[in-house]
Amino acid sequence: GQQLNQSPQSMFIQEGEDVSMNCTSSSIFNTWLWYKQDPGEGPVLLIALYKAGELTSNGRLTAQFGITRKDSFLNISASIPSDVGIYFCAGLEDNYGQNFVFGPGTRLSVLP
Amino acid sequence: DAGVTQSPTHLIKTRGQQVTLRCSPKSGHDTVSWYQQALGQGPQFIFQYYEEEERQRGNFPDRFSGHQFPNYSSELNVNALLLGDSALYLCASSAGQGLYEQYFGPGTRLTVT
Repeated sequence: GQQLNQSPQSMFIQEGEDVSMNCTSSSIFNTWLWYKQDPGEGPVLLIALYKAGELTSNGRLTAQFGITRKDSFLNISASIPSDVGIYFCAGLEDNYGQNFVFGPGTRLSVLP
Repeated sequence: DAGVTQSPTHLIKTRGQQVTLRCSPKSGHDTVSWYQQALGQGPQFIFQYYEEEERQRGNFPDRFSGHQFPNYSSELNVNALLLGDSALYLCASSAGQGLYEQYFGPGTRLTVT
């Protein structure tokens, strides 16, 4: 089946710094979702992307649907301590079934 | 507006037993998907229910089955539990055709001993 790769696997940044992470696939996807998960909780939806090239913002978060439809990017500006968590990308290949494939996640740590 | 709810929060079962997990979707949503999340990994799709039928299934054995009720709530059943079934089971709901944003519940932590 399809697999998603996320990079970096983990990152340590200083509070106030900007963060960039990405998600890549060998398959073409029609939809990308970005989630954040805190320990012991369910993933929280951050941003949804539906068109190649689309750039969408949600507060300090900005995500892009790659032109090739095989990748997506998430940027966080001016990081704060509550940004700590695991960020997952999820791709949808077949719009009918809504069978999302998740990446392994990027673990973000923010140092004060 | 209530979000996705799941019960129970935690569960401990013995190998070979059966378990039922429950999910109520977000208000206005009619589609429920179930995912298994092992420690340190991303969620893996088990199956999805829409209009009380299984619409799509991931790569999970028949020991995993489900049901959706007329009020859109759903159950996940796992028979003949194995140690490897220990995981966080997540339910996600969405609004059906044309809208693919899935909203997750807090999950049920299943431990098989």
